[in-house]
Amino acid sequence: GAVVSQHPSWVICKSGTSVKIECRSLDFQATTMFWYRQFPKQSLMLMATSNEGSKATYEQGVEKDKFLINHASLTLSTLTVTSAHPEDSSFYICSARPGAGSGELFFGEGSRLTVL
Amino acid sequence: ILNVEQSPQSLHVQEGDSTNFTCSFPSSNFYALHWYRWETAKSPEALFVMTLNGDEKKKGRISATLNTKEGYSYLYIKGSQPEDSATYLCALRDSGNTPLVFGKGTRLSVIA
Repeated sequence: GAVVSQHPSWVICKSGTSVKIECRSLDFQATTMFWYRQFPKQSLMLMATSNEGSKATYEQGVEKDKFLINHASLTLSTLTVTSAHPEDSSFYICSARPGAGSGELFFGEGSRLTVL
Repeated sequence: ILNVEQSPQSLHVQEGDSTNFTCSFPSSNFYALHWYRWETAKSPEALFVMTLNGDEKKKGRISATLNTKEGYSYLYIKGSQPEDSATYLCALRDSGNTPLVFGKGTRLSVIA
């Protein structure tokens, strides 16, 4: 099946710093990628839909200025957590769909962010 | 907001036992239901995409059924093995243009 790679798999940073997470589709082109966040014992919650060459679409309650998404190519989307704070500590995971319709999503491995 | 419920939250079974768990969702505006298996430290892996009421899909010892009229899907594992230990996620899409909405998952532990 299709492969999505996410990096880094874990990161620890100081409060106030920015952290960038990369999501790459390795063997297909993805015009759309999705960023999810998961807090402990909660479901994966969609943060934003990343569209190649255009602005991301953010879900209600997700601050676009805090979670910067860039989808500059058909195989790469990045999520930057700006001025991270301890409450941003979470598990972030990206996904992409090779085609439209009801097709399955392929996920990256996820990134565990800990903000001290 | 779509609400996708999965039960039980977790379960432990002995190797060789068969088991099943449930995904419940609003029966209106159904488009597709997805099942994923998520092993620790790995990417969620797609198991099934189900779109039609009455669908039944099978992959090895794992099968799933779908009832869109009453809003539920069952995932069955026959003869559980330790390698089946994972979190099983179900996710719903209510149209072709909307993202998946996930349940919290069922965490399965198979004890050898």
